Amino acid sequence: GAGVSQSPSNKVTEKGKDVELRCDPISGHTALYWYRQSLGQGLEFLIYFQGNSAPDKSGLPSDRFSAERTGGSVSTLTIQRTQQEDSAVYLCASSEGLAGGQFFGPGTRLTVL
Amino acid sequence: GENVEQHPSTLSVQEGDSAVIKCTYSDSASNYFPWYKQELGKRPQLIIDIRSNVGEKKDQRIAVTLNKTAKHFSLHITETQPEDSAVYFCAARESGGGNKLTFGTGTQLKVEL
Repeated sequence: GAGVSQSPSNKVTEKGKDVELRCDPISGHTALYWYRQSLGQGLEFLIYFQGNSAPDKSGLPSDRFSAERTGGSVSTLTIQRTQQEDSAVYLCASSEGLAGGQFFGPGTRLTVL
Repeated sequence: GENVEQHPSTLSVQEGDSAVIKCTYSDSASNYFPWYKQELGKRPQLIIDIRSNVGEKKDQRIAVTLNKTAKHFSLHITETQPEDSAVYFCAARESGGGNKLTFGTGTQLKVEL
């Protein structure tokens, strides 16, 4: 079946602008995660959603970052007033419940000029 | 929170040799340890995982071992091939019921002909 998809694949924006990144999880996966990967670095957890439970936002680096998941499927990560340090690859993953392995999308490469 | 350390940061082996990557974690209650392979410009791919109730798991040329007492786990790749060249990430799932992963900083494996 189809894997996790993300859009756009690349996004270039100017400092101070808002951006929205989209994630479509694997069909039937109830858990959805956002991670950030800076150049040559590991993956940094941002937020996850599980079913109708309140999301775990403990990894969001500042209040400029927010995410929502509508209808238990598609998720949008929003970064307001982007800064140059926000430049990174934003990866989305999904899993079949909280015990399942996480499968990643191709990521969105964000560049803030 | 959880802290995962990974060594070495780079590893170069001859084709056909074995490769071993090691990780340590800090939270003794962590119970799930996946390994991801990431080729240049691609998404991380789950290649093997182990849960805390077993000490070893094998899948063809790859194996993972877990020592809960010492809080370390390792990835073993035998009979390495050029296509094994990639960055490998270990991760640990924090205790507390969620599925948030804390990743190591990655190992760049190069398999030379």
